[in-house]
Amino acid sequence: DVVMTQSPLSLPVTLGQPASISCRSSQGLVYSDGNTYLNWFQQRPGQSPRRLIYEVSNRDSGVPDRFSGSGSGTDFTLKISRVEAEDVGVYYCMQGAHWPYTFGQGTKLQIK
Amino acid sequence: EVHLVQSGGGLVQPGGSLRLSCAASGFAFSSYAMHWVRQAPGMGLEYVSAISNSGGSAYYANSVKGRFTISRDNSKNTLYLQMGSLRAEDMAVYYCARVEWGGYADWGQGTLVTVSS
Repeated sequence: DVVMTQSPLSLPVTLGQPASISCRSSQGLVYSDGNTYLNWFQQRPGQSPRRLIYEVSNRDSGVPDRFSGSGSGTDFTLKISRVEAEDVGVYYCMQGAHWPYTFGQGTKLQIK
Repeated sequence: EVHLVQSGGGLVQPGGSLRLSCAASGFAFSSYAMHWVRQAPGMGLEYVSAISNSGGSAYYANSVKGRFTISRDNSKNTLYLQMGSLRAEDMAVYYCARVEWGGYADWGQGTLVTVSS
């Protein structure tokens, strides 16, 4: 299985400051159709996960533009330009290029 | 708007069975693959099972293969997960999810499965 490794696992951030989460995959994530299936999810306390980013850098509908994704190959990054209180939760990367789909361990974002 | 409404969780004894359901609305259910994902208490997310849009192909994580069966009824817009020979390590919140663009575009509200005597 493809191993997804996130860092850091804990991320204290001051309101209004930027935040960045790294995700590394044990294999490249380019599928046979040429697309790179790397997703980012947010899980607020007590809620279901919600997808923020698909195919590395595409924001899902309704996702604020302060969230952005980048990367290629095996290294990917989720950035929040200015953290707001509602961003508290756990963030997961996930690959959908190889079977089975696999998730990173999660990064817990909290307000400093 | 997409809605995935889950039902069927609860308390079951080790070795017992349970069936989860996921009723879909707001999209063309028969056009999308669907997955089940679980989250043990305080832990991360884990893929459990997948089914093609037609229901003709099904896939399982090694940890549940031979014990769980995924199915769907496209006439009822409903996804199912039949769970058998349940173990303590199967205790988790189970989510159904719609697959789009190589990931989970929409999630159900989750249903808790507790395995305990």
